[in-house]
Amino acid sequence: QVQLVQSGAEVKKPGASVKVSCKASGYIFTGYYIHWVRQAPGQGLEWMGWINLNSGGTNYAQNFQGRVTMSRDTSIRTAYMEVRGLFSDDTAVYYCARETGLAVAGPFDYWGQGTLVTVSS
Amino acid sequence: EIVVTQSPGTLSLSPGERATLSCRASQSVSSSSLAWYQQKPGQAPRLLMYGASNRATGIPDRFSGSGSGTDFTLTISRLEPEDFAVYYCQQYGGSFTFGPGTKVDIK
Repeated sequence: QVQLVQSGAEVKKPGASVKVSCKASGYIFTGYYIHWVRQAPGQGLEWMGWINLNSGGTNYAQNFQGRVTMSRDTSIRTAYMEVRGLFSDDTAVYYCARETGLAVAGPFDYWGQGTLVTVSS
Repeated sequence: EIVVTQSPGTLSLSPGERATLSCRASQSVSSSSLAWYQQKPGQAPRLLMYGASNRATGIPDRFSGSGSGTDFTLTISRLEPEDFAVYYCQQYGGSFTFGPGTKVDIK
């Protein structure tokens, strides 16, 4: 069965960086896109961007351009999302999610369990 | 960027009642590229509907979706206790954006 397993919770100081991992199993890794979505405490879902697991190509939401990098290591079936220059407003649960589409955009059918990133001095 | 809004913000209903949730996009969503997700506290979102009206795998038929262009609706015909949750719509026809969510709580 398809599973996305994320790395554990992180506590960071303002200005630091965090890198969250998302390990996939149960499907052809390079056949899909992985998206990252975050959710601040008590708030809604915010799309951050995607990575094409085959080519490594990326597309970031405007709010995150220049501060977020998405990458992957196909040998260990893992996608990564790094945020630099953290602010307290970056405190959120970060999710990875698999997109169903490839040639045409699709919804997100499988999600990781989420990684809580807390930014606090 | 396509902005997505949802109404109402909160829907207070009793088990067995019908729930009607609305989602509106600021521009026409191509090919009805509209999905609905359900999220319960402490859990990741779960895909319910895609292409505006197609149920995802394993979703019971009390959930239905409709709409096209800029206006979409999720209907839960008879609320079960496990349906009380937050529901998000998402457009994926022009980049990806989520609505702010509708909370369905117990009256």
